[in-house]
Formats: sequence, structure tokens, C-alpha cells
Amino acid sequence: ETGVTQTPRHLVMGMTNKKSLKCEQHLGHNAMYWYKQSAKKPLELMFVYNFKEQTENNSVPSRFSPECPNSSHLFLHLHTLQPEDSALYLCASGQSHEQYFGPGTRLTVT
Amino acid sequence: SQQGEEDPQALSIQEGENATMNCSYKTSINNLQWYRQNSGRGLVHLILIRSNEREKHSGRLRVTLDTSKKSSSLLITASRAADTASYFCATAVKTSYDKVIFGPGTSLSVIP
Repeated sequence: ETGVTQTPRHLVMGMTNKKSLKCEQHLGHNAMYWYKQSAKKPLELMFVYNFKEQTENNSVPSRFSPECPNSSHLFLHLHTLQPEDSALYLCASGQSHEQYFGPGTRLTVT
Repeated sequence: SQQGEEDPQALSIQEGENATMNCSYKTSINNLQWYRQNSGRGLVHLILIRSNEREKHSGRLRVTLDTSKKSSSLLITASRAADTASYFCATAVKTSYDKVIFGPGTSLSVIP
């Protein structure tokens, strides 16, 4: 276990649904990250929060909405997704560059 | 193109052999890291080498860094079937936060 948990582990949703992914870290790190990993593509950084403040939004469509209520929790709110958004969504926390990843949420949009 | 790129994209070896993966990058870095990912799981941090270091060891892992050539290599000695995974190099650059950029990865298969 890396100290980073993600729920749910699997999610199937329709294009009109609204759902949220949750990430929690117990490592006392200052930074938290959302990544998207699609088949045969490099890991794509989506959002970064540093001390609860969003420091990067990597041109992510507005149908993905992050929320960081405190330094231990990170959410990714999803609405009106497209089938191409199906992927493994990974959360990570980190300090001084070293990152610790959660197990990911396998998202399928139907 | 990306900051870090691994080579080869895929590697298949027999158990007990050594596996070598390479990573090249483009800009100045603070450090370089290697991660492992088992199928469908999160990435696991393996080793970090700072820009002023040339070689680092951790168990059966050996990492080298050549900043003049902007390249790194990961050597796994005496490979085991359990080493089958994807391996990613990640370069750390200093911005307003600790930014890490991942390469596309090398898929390693170790055949028992």
C-alpha cells in the first residue's frame, strides 16, 4: 500500500450521468495530482493542487471539475463525459518531486 | 514531443537475465525517477537519482544518469517473472510546484 487510496476502483457511467472520484492520502504531502492514463498513451497530467490551491490545469475540458477541500482529500467531479474519456484515472500525492500513486479508478463511459 | 522517452517500447527476456531500459530527455532536470506499473494498477516509485549523481543502486536495480547526454538507464539484474510490468522514467523540473513529467514507458515481460 502506498498510503494513497482511491474510490471507486471501477466505474461505469452513461454520458448524461454525474459522478465523482475520490482520492485520499495519509502521507502528509502538500501536493496532490490527477492523471489520466489511456491505452497506448503516456500518462497525462490533468490537475495539480499544492497546499489546496490549484497550480495547474493542463487544458482539461470543463466536464472534469476538481475539488480539493483539504490537503488530504482530492475529488474529480465528472459530468456529461464522452466515450473517449474512458481511461484509468490515477491520483497521486507528493513532496519534493517523489510521487505516490493510488491504485486508480477504471472509468468506462458508455 | 515529450520530455522523457523510454527505449525500447517493449522488452521480453528470460527469467534470470538482466533487463536494461533507457530514457532520454530534453531539458534540464532536478532529478530523474523510475516507476513501475503492474497491469491496470497505480505506479510505484522505484528510485530517484539527483542531477548531481551518476549512479544509484537499490536491491537488484541500478540506475545511471548522464546529464551531458540527457539520458538515464535502468538495469534490473537477475530478473524474475514478478518483474513483468511497465516501467516509466519521470523527469522532475522546478516550477511553482514540483512538476514531474512521465515518459510513455517500457513494457517488460519476463518469461519463466
